[in-house]
Amino acid sequence: DIVMTQSPDSLAVSLGDRATINCKSSQSLLYTSYNKNYLAWYQQKPGQPPKLLIYWASTRESGVPDRFSGSGSGTNFTLTITSLQAEDVAFYYCQQYYTNPYIFGQGTKLEIK
Amino acid sequence: QVHLVESGGGVVQPGKSLRLSCAASGFTFSNYAFHWVRQAPGKGLEWVALISSDGSNKYYIDSVKGRFTISRDNSKSTLSLQMNSLRTGDTAVYFCARAPQRMGAQYFDSWGQGTLVTVS
Repeated sequence: DIVMTQSPDSLAVSLGDRATINCKSSQSLLYTSYNKNYLAWYQQKPGQPPKLLIYWASTRESGVPDRFSGSGSGTNFTLTITSLQAEDVAFYYCQQYYTNPYIFGQGTKLEIK
Repeated sequence: QVHLVESGGGVVQPGKSLRLSCAASGFTFSNYAFHWVRQAPGKGLEWVALISSDGSNKYYIDSVKGRFTISRDNSKSTLSLQMNSLRTGDTAVYFCARAPQRMGAQYFDSWGQGTLVTVS
């Protein structure tokens, strides 16, 4: 199975500052036939289901603010939130969909400093 | 508007069975793959099972193989998860989630609110 490791486990950032969350996979998520990285990012707030933010490692889901961006390829990926807002406090998860089982990272808790 | 509503959760004794359902509306159900994803109390997300759009392909996480069965009824736009021989470790909120399936994409673009299963 592919192992997904996020860092850090928790993060405190001041309002208006940048937050960076990393995700590393134990094998490449780049499917060369399509030249796509099979990696998604989700945001989950307490008591709510997860919400899709990013897919194909860098494609923003419709309606997601442009302060959220995804980058990376192969085995190393990053979710960046520029100009942190109070409503961005949440858990963030990466997920590989290269192959089943479709493993999630352990999650990163983002708080306001 | 996409709408996914899970039902069927509850408290059940170890070894017993439970059947979860997910009612879908607002889109063409048969065009999408569907998954069950669970979240134990205070823990992260764990993928459980996948069923392809036509129901011909099904995959499970190892810990539920032989105990859980995913199914769908495209005529009724419903997804189900039959859970047998339940264990305390199966205690979690169970979400149904939609996947676009194009180019093999199994990311989850819509989620239900979840239903809590407590095995105790």
